[in-house]
Formats: sequence, structure tokens, C-alpha cells
Amino acid sequence: QSALTQPRSVSGSPGQSVTISCTGTSSDVGGYNYVSWYQQHPGKAPKLMIYDVSKRPSGVPDRFSGSKSGNTASLTISGLQAEDEADYYCCSYAGSYTKYVVFGGGTKLTVL
Amino acid sequence: EVQLVESGGGLVQPGGSLRLSCAASGFTFSSYSMNWVRQAPGKGLEWVSYISSSSSTIYYADSVKGRFTISRDNAKNSLYLQMNSLRAEDTAVYYCARGHITIFGVVTHFDYWGQGTLVTVSS
Repeated sequence: QSALTQPRSVSGSPGQSVTISCTGTSSDVGGYNYVSWYQQHPGKAPKLMIYDVSKRPSGVPDRFSGSKSGNTASLTISGLQAEDEADYYCCSYAGSYTKYVVFGGGTKLTVL
Repeated sequence: EVQLVESGGGLVQPGGSLRLSCAASGFTFSSYSMNWVRQAPGKGLEWVSYISSSSSTIYYADSVKGRFTISRDNAKNSLYLQMNSLRAEDTAVYYCARGHITIFGVVTHFDYWGQGTLVTVSS
């Protein structure tokens, strides 16, 4: 069982917006502004999409945005495109020696 | 261009050992913390271990503590994971990932990942 809780799947039509939630605790998501999001296509390595809750690395489209409220972080993808179909994982610093970083279980995004 | 290339995966019997390597290029390896993250078949990501740039700070997940050892050789731009007493549940693709940390040693995100190497533990 993953430390952070994400919905197993979400879906949307091209051009629409979807939001993926990521719920943790005050010891991880709620305690630090160090939430990141990763996109993973089948058979590929994860790719950083959002870091520090809402910052986008160079090269990531501004259709991707992040936010946080309390113990829940969210990734919103607007103007859905076919290539956005992938698995998405949230991640948070968790502050302890053996629970340094925790991931969510992943959300499968389907573009209808 | 930043590149991370893992190697050393394969099939090993339960109780056996394996050593993974990650060759880094395209950046000043000695200036960055590094991590191992794994993904069991069809499952999510799991952080495994962290090593600071100078090897002075090392962390392990509870699931591997006492069995796995992370190390690095900055002269060779390489990261390693020595895995002993392997179990079926260690079967996964193992990724090395470059960590971005604050001045206080807090990892904020993983900005580059290798392509992964598959470790299969089975008799």
C-alpha cells in the first residue's frame, strides 16, 4: 500500500481538463512544499512534470499545473492531448531516515 | 545532455546477491545526491535509497535496510546498489535518479532518471 493516495484512474476527452489528487498526511504532503509529479509512459522511465508543488521544469507545457491544500496535492492537465495518456505519480519529501521520500500509487490517465 | 545508464540487472535466486551500477554523464556527478527508485511489475514507484554527493549521508527504505548498500565513486561518475539476501518481492525495475536537494539536505524532486534495469528474483 502506497503512502500517498491517488485515484486509480481518470479520463477525459481531448481539449478537456482533468485533475488528479494526491492525499497524504501532515508528515509528508501537508508538512512540506516538496510535492512533485511524474509522468510515465508504458515501458519508459518517469519524467518530472511538476516540482515544489507548482513549478514546471523547462520544456513541460503550461497545460500542466500543480497545487496543494492541506494534506492534498493536485495535478491539473488542461487542453488534454492524446500524448498525455500515461501514468502519473505524485511524490513528497517525508522527512524521516527510512521514509525519506514517498510516492503515490499512480493514476492511469486515459484520453478518450 | 544528462544521461544515467543502469546495468547489472538479471535473474537471481532467492537469497542471492546482485550489484547494480549507474553510469552518469553530462553533469558534475560529484555535486549531486543520487537515489535508487524501484518499480515492481505492474506496480507503482518505491523509493529505495539515497546517498549525498560526498557519501556522508545515506538513507534506506525500511523494506531494504540491512540487505542493500548504496555507494558511489565520484572519480568514476558511478552509483552502485549492492543487493544481498534478495527476496521475490525485490523483483522490480530499478532506476537511478538524480536528486535535487535544498541546502538543508531535503530532497525536493528527482529531475533525471535512467532507463532502468530489471531485477528478477526467482528460483
